[in-house]
Amino acid sequence: DIQMTQSPSSLSASVGDRVTISCQASQDISDSLNWYQQKEGSAPKLLIFLAENLESGVPSRFSGSGSGTNFILTISSLQPEDFATYFCQQYANLPLTFGEGTKIEIK
Amino acid sequence: QAQLQQWGAGLLRPSETLSLSCDVSGGSLSGYYWGWIRQPPGKGLEWIGEINEIGNTNYNPSSESRVTISVDTSKNQFSLKLASVTAADTAVYYCARRTMPFDLWGRGTLVTVSS
Repeated sequence: DIQMTQSPSSLSASVGDRVTISCQASQDISDSLNWYQQKEGSAPKLLIFLAENLESGVPSRFSGSGSGTNFILTISSLQPEDFATYFCQQYANLPLTFGEGTKIEIK
Repeated sequence: QAQLQQWGAGLLRPSETLSLSCDVSGGSLSGYYWGWIRQPPGKGLEWIGEINEIGNTNYNPSSESRVTISVDTSKNQFSLKLASVTAADTAVYYCARRTMPFDLWGRGTLVTVSS
């Protein structure tokens, strides 16, 4: 199985901050990487697919980058509605696997 | 716009079989994989498996021996069965649609396994 390691596991930030979350794959997955946002009590929501492609309707302050084994999700200016948990997920190989999540909390 | 509506029993005893179904409304089964993902309380996401409209399945080896995913094209539904559940199977179970990413999710069903 491909292991997905996210860092940090949690962070505290303020509205307006630039935030970056890292996701590292245990082997080369090319650009087969998605990012999701999950709010408490809700299903995950797709933000980014194919490492850097913004899902329709997702604000442009979200961006993704990377390829191979190292990926980054960036929120350029954190908004109140962005406080949530973020997961990366690879689809290069089965079984599909997720990172453990990064929780963004209000500072 | 397509939506996923899921349902099933929320409380099971150990050794029973978990059974969940997911209805696809406003869209077709064709061209997608339809999957199940679970999330134990306070933890991360685990892919269980998936099926397409002609019944091709992929399962996570971690639970493959206990899992059956099926599709009913006449009803536009797909289902999950997980046999011989234990407390470790307690989780929120989501159905979801997949192309490359999971782009459409059900609301989730909390399944608790307790004696």
